Amino acid sequence: QKEVEQNSGPLSVPEGAIASLNCTYSDRGSQSFFWYRQYSGKSPELIMFIYSNGDKEDGRFTAQLNKASQYVSLLIRDSQPSDSATYLCAVNRGTGRRALTFGSGTRLQVQP
Amino acid sequence: EPEVTQTPSHQVTQMGQEVILRCVPISNHLYFYWYRQILGQKVEFLVSFYNNEISEKSEIFDDQFSVERPDGSNFTLKIRSTKLEDSAMYFCASNARQAETQYFGPGTRLLVL
Repeated sequence: QKEVEQNSGPLSVPEGAIASLNCTYSDRGSQSFFWYRQYSGKSPELIMFIYSNGDKEDGRFTAQLNKASQYVSLLIRDSQPSDSATYLCAVNRGTGRRALTFGSGTRLQVQP
Repeated sequence: EPEVTQTPSHQVTQMGQEVILRCVPISNHLYFYWYRQILGQKVEFLVSFYNNEISEKSEIFDDQFSVERPDGSNFTLKIRSTKLEDSAMYFCASNARQAETQYFGPGTRLLVL
């Protein structure tokens, strides 16, 4: 059974702080890793993706991937109240196997 | 910016009725998907569609479900005989040929009574 695990939270951080969200996955064949943000009642919105081990930065967001440890994380710098949402980690097996397997999400609360 | 669109936004139906959920993927995208999210639960993959055929499906996608691309723009999910447990948010997604990133539509909230 392919699983993606996330701490459900809520993770509460003050405005301006760094929020760190973590995700582990069980399928060693996973090739592509995605972070989506989902506001209540809305659809998942892509934040960023990562394919290779290491860090990838995009604005205030940094994704980190460690395939050996089967671990992917998302750092949000200078957290804003508007970042308050549920963050979904998703993985797939890459080309030809594009179905995304989602974690249950971590709820982030940024306190003003 | 191009978006995936879905209609209707809400659908209420009686158990045993057929429903068709509609999606218009982003125009140059070639891979299409349906996912569902039962209230309070994780997003679950249902089916993927490429080159006018199903490329992958989950255990959830049983004989009660079917997908179709009836023309060059629409992508539909049909549930033949709805059950109470089909009540969920249904999301359509699409991605371009050489890209892995899937973009989601706003969803259709289906309520089966």
